[in-house]
Amino acid sequence: EAGVTQSPTHLIKTRGQQVTLRCSPISGHTSVYWYQQALGLGLQFLLWYDEGEERNRGNFPPRFSGRQFPNYSSELNVNALELEDSALYLCASSLGPGTTDTQYFGPGTRLTVL
Amino acid sequence: ILNVEQSPQSLHVQEGDSTNFTCSFPSSNFYALHWYRWETAKSPEALFVMTLNGDEKKKGRISATLNTKEGYSYLYIKGSQPEDSATYLCAPANDYKLSFGAGTTVTVRA
Repeated sequence: EAGVTQSPTHLIKTRGQQVTLRCSPISGHTSVYWYQQALGLGLQFLLWYDEGEERNRGNFPPRFSGRQFPNYSSELNVNALELEDSALYLCASSLGPGTTDTQYFGPGTRLTVL
Repeated sequence: ILNVEQSPQSLHVQEGDSTNFTCSFPSSNFYALHWYRWETAKSPEALFVMTLNGDEKKKGRISATLNTKEGYSYLYIKGSQPEDSATYLCAPANDYKLSFGAGTTVTVRA
């Protein structure tokens, strides 16, 4: 069974640009989560999508947004990039939206903002 | 966002030795606690999901206990091996999201 996949692996952008990160969940999983790990910080919850709807978002500005498609894949968009957006972005998927459902993580996208 | 503390931040263990470390979290409104192992250049790997006070989980040489009343969980590694070297993350679940601690980084020396 294929795991969670993310693309691209690495990305370099400049301040002010926009970026789109992509995530494909495990087959059959309907919930997709996005997390950010900035340098020196732990994993921070960004967004949660389930059945095509945004269900919850973390303490991030509105320039972080995303969507979930009918096939449950997801995109994370970051507008007006700032230097502090440089981070590892991890996507995770789970079978359902429950708090006891295991979240399976992808390999991440490393974003560097210059 | 929940306040999650893991200690120690890092530890070094001799191969064959056993070790343990702590995850502390708010005991109120507890739903579940997730443990992950994160090796360098890999994805975080799910270890356990724990829900009940007094719960104990085991996976190979790794085990975990949970005390929801006082808000802590211990993770134990028995007979550490070099492949156990990783950062171990705990994350209580609340509002359908995980609040991760900073992790305990374990280095096993051969």
